[in-house]
Amino acid sequence: QKEVEQNSGPLSVPEGAIASLNCTYSDRGSQSFFWYRQYSGKSPELIMFIYSNGDKEDGRFTAQLNKASQYVSLLIRDSQPSDSATYLCAVNKSGGYNKLIFGAGTRLAVHP
Amino acid sequence: GAVVSQHPSRVICKSGTSVKIECRSLDFQATTMFWYRQFPKQSLMLMATSNEGSKATYEQGVEKDKFLINHASLTLSTLTVTSAHPEDSSFYICSAITLNRRLLAGNTDTQYFGPGTRLTVL
Repeated sequence: QKEVEQNSGPLSVPEGAIASLNCTYSDRGSQSFFWYRQYSGKSPELIMFIYSNGDKEDGRFTAQLNKASQYVSLLIRDSQPSDSATYLCAVNKSGGYNKLIFGAGTRLAVHP
Repeated sequence: GAVVSQHPSRVICKSGTSVKIECRSLDFQATTMFWYRQFPKQSLMLMATSNEGSKATYEQGVEKDKFLINHASLTLSTLTVTSAHPEDSSFYICSAITLNRRLLAGNTDTQYFGPGTRLTVL
C-alpha cells in the first residue's frame, strides 16, 4: 500500500464545474496535509493546507479532512482552463521533522 | 512569499561527469532545505534533508556518496550528482523552510519550492 494514494486521472471537467480531487493516506500519525498544483515541467506551488478535521475554504478552493477515514480532498469551484494541472497531495510523516510524503498526483483537465 | 531559486534550470551532461545544482533562498534564511527527485509522471521523492552547518540526512535507498549535499550557509545548499549516469536523468527540486517567517500547518512548516533543475545525462 502506498503511503499517499491519489487517482492518477485524468479527471476531465467542463469549465465552470466543480472538480473534486481525492487523497488517502496510511500514516495515522500524520497531522498536516497539503495540496500543491504542478504545471507540466514546473515545480509544485502550494494551494492550501489543512490540519483540522472538517472543511477549509480559500477562494475557489475547499480542502476537506477526515482523519478517522484517513482521507483528504480538494474541491475546485468554477473550474477554469488555467486550473488544468497535476494536483499533488502531500502528508507530513509522523515522527519525521517536516518531512512530506507526496502522492503521485491527479491530472485535472478543464475543457472550455 | 519566500522565494527560492535554483541554478541551472536545465543541464545536459555526458555519462561519468559530475553536475552541481544550487538552491538559494533569496529573501529569507533557510534553516532547512530539502532535495527531491521527480521522474516523469511520478511523484516527488525526498532524497535528503540538509541543515545549515551539518551533514545531510539521506532517505533510505539514496546513495550519499553519489548525491553530495552541502549546506554551507543559511541561503545556499548544493546538490552534486557525481559520476552521473542516464538513470540519474530526472527533475531535481529543492525546497526550504524558515524559522524566521514560519507558515505553520499544524505541526509542520510549509515548504517553499524552487523552480527545479532538469538533468539529462547522455
